[in-house]
Amino acid sequence: DIQMTQSPSTLSASVGDRVTITCRASQSISSWLAWYQQKPGKAPKLLIYKASSLESGVPSRFSGSGSGTEFTLTISSLQPDDFATYYCQQYNSFPFTFGPGTKVDIK
Amino acid sequence: EVQLLESGGGLVQPGGSLRLSCAASGLSFSSYAMSWVRQAPGKGLEWVSAITGSGAGTYYADSVKGRFTISRDNSKNTLYLQMNSLRAEDTAVYYCAKTSTGPNFFDYWGQGTLVTVSS
Repeated sequence: DIQMTQSPSTLSASVGDRVTITCRASQSISSWLAWYQQKPGKAPKLLIYKASSLESGVPSRFSGSGSGTEFTLTISSLQPDDFATYYCQQYNSFPFTFGPGTKVDIK
Repeated sequence: EVQLLESGGGLVQPGGSLRLSCAASGLSFSSYAMSWVRQAPGKGLEWVSAITGSGAGTYYADSVKGRFTISRDNSKNTLYLQMNSLRAEDTAVYYCAKTSTGPNFFDYWGQGTLVTVSS
């Protein structure tokens, strides 16, 4: 199985900050990576697919990059609505696996 | 608008069974693979099972293989998860999720249904 790791596990930031979250795969997954945002008590929401493609309706302050085993999610200017937990997911092969999550909270 | 509505969660004793349903609307249901993803209380996301649009192909996480069965009824636009031999570690919110065309990421999610396994 492909193992996914994320860093940091928690990130404290202020509105307006540039935020970067890293996701690493235990083996190459090409660009078959998605990023999701989840708020407490809610279902996850797709942000990015194929490592860098922005899902329709997602603000352009979100961007993704990377390929192979190392990926990043960047929020260019953190907004109040962005405080949430972020997960990466590989869909290169079964079983699909998620990273453990990165919680972005208020500094 | 795509909508996914899970039902069937509840409290069940260890060793018991439960069947979850996910009613889909606003999409050509049979055209899309579907998955179940779960989240234990306070924990991260875990993919559980997937099924192709026709239902011919099914896939499972090792943690549920042999105990859970995914199925679908395309005439009813409904996805199912039959869960047998339930364990305390199966306690979680179970989400159904629609797979995007082709690549297997999840572009729509239901609101989730809570399964609690406890005596």
